[in-house]
Amino acid sequence: AQKITQTQPGMFVQEKEAVTLDCTYDTSDQSYGLFWYKQPSSGEMIFLIYQGSYDEQNATEGRYSLNFQKARKSANLVISASQLGDSAMYFCAMREPYNQGGKLIFGQGTELSVKP
Amino acid sequence: SAVISQKPSRDICQRGTSLTIQCQVDSQVTMMFWYRQQPGQSLTLIATANQGSEATYESGFVIDKFPISRPNLTFSTLTVSNMSPEDSSIYLCSVLIGTYGYTFGSGTRLTVV
Repeated sequence: AQKITQTQPGMFVQEKEAVTLDCTYDTSDQSYGLFWYKQPSSGEMIFLIYQGSYDEQNATEGRYSLNFQKARKSANLVISASQLGDSAMYFCAMREPYNQGGKLIFGQGTELSVKP
Repeated sequence: SAVISQKPSRDICQRGTSLTIQCQVDSQVTMMFWYRQQPGQSLTLIATANQGSEATYESGFVIDKFPISRPNLTFSTLTVSNMSPEDSSIYLCSVLIGTYGYTFGSGTRLTVV
């Protein structure tokens, strides 16, 4: 069975600094996808970044980058130049293979607080 | 990406009653999912809503408690039946567009008193 683990319940970062949110995963499948979502206090789920298991380059989207280390089964999110608006819950997720339903499995989440 | 309209956005319900949550998508989608997020917790999949057939439920969730309808490729409903305070959660629908475009509705905040 697939599993996603986020070991940091809460993180603090100073405004304008970079922060890394950890995510490890476990799967026996060769084809999978890894995602990061942001959930502000309003409750909406905002897609941040995606990494496919066969992608050789680390994914980047503006200030977000995904540090993908396949051998270590980790997919850490790096946020550069933190802003006050980055304060939110962050969830790492993995997609099941489509022939197994294609659903997303979520980690426990990390609450990020950006200090001015 | 798809635009999802989820209703209601929030509700306060009496225990023992039922609430039906609607999810309307602005385009046809094959895969649609319903998640529950209990207070302070992560998202847990309730079921995959299948068009024209019975939903596929995850372990721990049953059709009698969470009946789901999916009459076409743009609409689905989730009913939370015979509610108790433990059902107080955020319920979210999600759809898949393309190979990795998982989009979520804005969620329904349910409080059961």
